[in-house]
Amino acid sequence: EPEVTQTPSHQVTQMGQEVILRCVPISNHLYFYWYRQILGQKVEFLVSFYNNEISEKSEIFDDQFSVERPDGSNFTLKIRSTKLEDSAMYFCASSEREGYYEQYFGPGTRLTVT
Amino acid sequence: AQSVSQHNHHVILSEAASLELGCNYSYGGTVNLFWYVQYPGQHLQLLLKYFSGDPLVKGIKGFEAEFIKSKFSFNLRKPSVQWSDTAEYFCAVMNQAGTALIFGKGTTLSVSS
Repeated sequence: EPEVTQTPSHQVTQMGQEVILRCVPISNHLYFYWYRQILGQKVEFLVSFYNNEISEKSEIFDDQFSVERPDGSNFTLKIRSTKLEDSAMYFCASSEREGYYEQYFGPGTRLTVT
Repeated sequence: AQSVSQHNHHVILSEAASLELGCNYSYGGTVNLFWYVQYPGQHLQLLLKYFSGDPLVKGIKGFEAEFIKSKFSFNLRKPSVQWSDTAEYFCAVMNQAGTALIFGKGTTLSVSS
């Protein structure tokens, strides 16, 4: 069964450094998403992406964040200058269509900012 | 803004016990609701979803959920849990634009054999 994959599984970085989290969505999916979960809190939506454009973003997704689909298979989340409060589990998801279709989630990348 | 509340933070059951996990959502219009499960060390998987029609929705692994519009609820049930149901369970609602899932805080279910 096709799966969303994410690398790395765990990333440790120092405050102020840039990080890039990588995701490979399911191959025939067109809509891509990033979510995050700070330890002990709920899973929060960051951004959705379609046709090489952001279709929606949350208040969390400020200028420090960016997303890109650099090639036909990868979908990346970049945090330009990490803060301690960016420490969280970051989940990538993809869906065939937007709206009322299942979003398939990857296993997550645990980001630790020290 | 839409929100989802899950009342139980941690539920502990013995095998064969019945399960009901509460979920309430805030939005009063048309809603699309989901239950996701995350087994230890694995990714979020869809258990079941409600878009319209029969308010009693059956999902995988014997789970079901009932949409009660008047109560803004979408509780998850299973008549007899197994040790393998030990996991984190998340209720979610699709936002009005259909672009994002809004999750509850999750409920940890621990099943002892």
